[in-house]
Amino acid sequence: DQQVKQNSPSLSVQEGRISILNCDYTNSMFDYFLWYKKYPAEGPTFLISISSIKDKNEDGRFTVFLNKSAKHLSLHIVPSQPGDSAVYFCAARYLIQGAQKLVFGQGTRLTINP
Amino acid sequence: DTGVSQNPRHKITKRGQNVTFRCDPISEHNRLYWYRQTLGQGPEFLTYFQNEAQLEKSRLLSDRFSAERPKGSFSTLEIQRTEQGDSAMYLCASSPPGGAMLAKNIQYFGAGTRLSVL
Repeated sequence: DQQVKQNSPSLSVQEGRISILNCDYTNSMFDYFLWYKKYPAEGPTFLISISSIKDKNEDGRFTVFLNKSAKHLSLHIVPSQPGDSAVYFCAARYLIQGAQKLVFGQGTRLTINP
Repeated sequence: DTGVSQNPRHKITKRGQNVTFRCDPISEHNRLYWYRQTLGQGPEFLTYFQNEAQLEKSRLLSDRFSAERPKGSFSTLEIQRTEQGDSAMYLCASSPPGGAMLAKNIQYFGAGTRLSVL
């Protein structure tokens, strides 16, 4: 039962253009949604998050949009830079018995072409 | 701030052997998490510690798996009688003390231990 899905395994974008990564979820109990970025041989690093009561959060070149009715979120990167090439994971958080649990999607490999 | 440290980085073992991994969280982080990641998938939650107490375990954590955090600092994950299906990246994360607000609960990940069971 995949509660968080990233349906695009890979995405290739020209440098300077916009990158849009998508994520769908099924569980209405999630209270926060996060994006993590992962380079080879490193652990995932936190990028940006959004509360379930918001519809947009912006941080520099990164913006996350949340559409609760569609249970869909997206990460926009503009302008895309070569250093953005990495695997991006969408994650959803819920609290249970004091523990915050993250449910991750499968990841999307983003490649920024010069 | 040295980040979350995991050792070893790679472990190759034969089926049936026991293995143990270590995680050193960021100092003063009282929350510690273990995840498993297989090829083409995102990390999957295994277990959670708050200080030395193990508060949550996933059904993925069979009775061959045991995790400890004896003094509320570093943690170990042991797999007994390893099987080929245990081959995966094992990730550890930690987060600081705080309330439910996400801003105080961001999980910081280590680079992981890659286990290969032959």
